[in-house]
Amino acid sequence: DTAVSQTPKYLVTQMGNDKSIKCEQNLGHDTMYWYKQDSKKFLKIMFSYNNKELIINETVPNRFSPKSPDKAHLNLHINSLELGDSAVYFCASSPEWDRAHGYTFGSGTRLTVV
Amino acid sequence: AQSVTQPDIHITVSEGASLELRCNYSYGATPYLFWYVQSPGQGLQLLLKYFSGDTLVQGIKGFEAEFKRSQSSFNLRKPSVHWSDAAEYFCAVGPSGYSTLTFGKGTMLLVSP
Repeated sequence: DTAVSQTPKYLVTQMGNDKSIKCEQNLGHDTMYWYKQDSKKFLKIMFSYNNKELIINETVPNRFSPKSPDKAHLNLHINSLELGDSAVYFCASSPEWDRAHGYTFGSGTRLTVV
Repeated sequence: AQSVTQPDIHITVSEGASLELRCNYSYGATPYLFWYVQSPGQGLQLLLKYFSGDTLVQGIKGFEAEFKRSQSSFNLRKPSVHWSDAAEYFCAVGPSGYSTLTFGKGTMLLVSP
């Protein structure tokens, strides 16, 4: 009965590879997000989707491509991985109708590029 | 633009002692304010939130926070810290319009025996 689930939890891969991270929420929320947490624990928004539509696309290399097949899923595909992509990636969701609700986060995917 | 400042990178507190973590924000209107906790290797868990009404809000795990508009602050407090409270704590503000939650850089809480 996990609310926001991400897979995989850990991902180790070589430079230049392409990888995907999946996220699913069963809360009925309209909006989903991807955040990147760097080695200093700083959380930065990457993307925001509302009802499968891209709302926010921060300054992120175009090697990162989010895809939302339906409003319960938001996947992150990364092409040509670089060492600097190593980080923890968090998926989150929130209800559009309640800004005060806050975000519900997944447990994160630790990506290590070697 | 909205922003959050957590001036303390690390804080060490003795078990059983009181705790206060500082948070200052910049926001154009009445803010939505949140505190999250991240235990090692875990995701972020919502501790408490403020958006209107009583400026002293209660959260989970015995935490509370006070909104002070005049000081643009939303400090987190706990009267008696337990060893299990050792974690990273994040203050966040927003969202506004199509902007998302903006997080502070976090404060690492260490609990000494």
